[in-house]
Amino acid sequence: KQEVTQIPAALSVPEGENLVLNCSFTDSAIYNLQWFRQDPGKGLTSLLLIQSSQREQTSGRLNASLDKSSGRSTLYIAASQPGDSATYLCAVQGGSEKLVFGKGTKLTVNP
Amino acid sequence: DTAVSQTPKYLVTQMGNDKSIKCEQNLGHDTMYWYKQDSKKFLKIMFSYNNKELIINETVPNRFSPKSPDKAHLNLHINSLELGDSAVYFCASSPMGLSSTDTQYFGPGTRLTVL
Repeated sequence: KQEVTQIPAALSVPEGENLVLNCSFTDSAIYNLQWFRQDPGKGLTSLLLIQSSQREQTSGRLNASLDKSSGRSTLYIAASQPGDSATYLCAVQGGSEKLVFGKGTKLTVNP
Repeated sequence: DTAVSQTPKYLVTQMGNDKSIKCEQNLGHDTMYWYKQDSKKFLKIMFSYNNKELIINETVPNRFSPKSPDKAHLNLHINSLELGDSAVYFCASSPMGLSSTDTQYFGPGTRLTVL
């Protein structure tokens, strides 16, 4: 049974700092790994999707890496801004349509 | 235009009642999902439909019955509501489903409170 763990559960940083969010999963037989952002009271927004054959994906100030063999992914956020404050969720898709989510990392970027 | 919409946004009801949550997507996607996010913010899949056909049915009490009248709609009906059903329910859709490039698009959520 796939399990996804995210560390840390919460993170508070000053504006401008670079930061890394961590995600680990127990079953390396995945189709893809996705990072989502959730704002309070809102739905999820897809940030990056890394296919199982890929090592990383980049979008603007965001860079996500995937090490399938070790069951790990990181989300790197460069030059953080207060608008980046949200909960970041990691999810893996295995041999079915369903996504298995971690519990998320709540990020606060202080001005 | 909203891609995945849910109604209502908030639902407060008494234990034992029956309620429905509606979901519609205008993205032309084939697959739709229902997720439950509990008080600890843990997001877990409940159901998945592909072209009106049930694909995934996790261990969900049979008080929960999804209904897909067409591939753009996936409604969730809940009978005999219990306190533990209080959560935020998210609808989502994806182009085809089982694909290494498909991401899922989420609705804004419906916050259900059972008193």
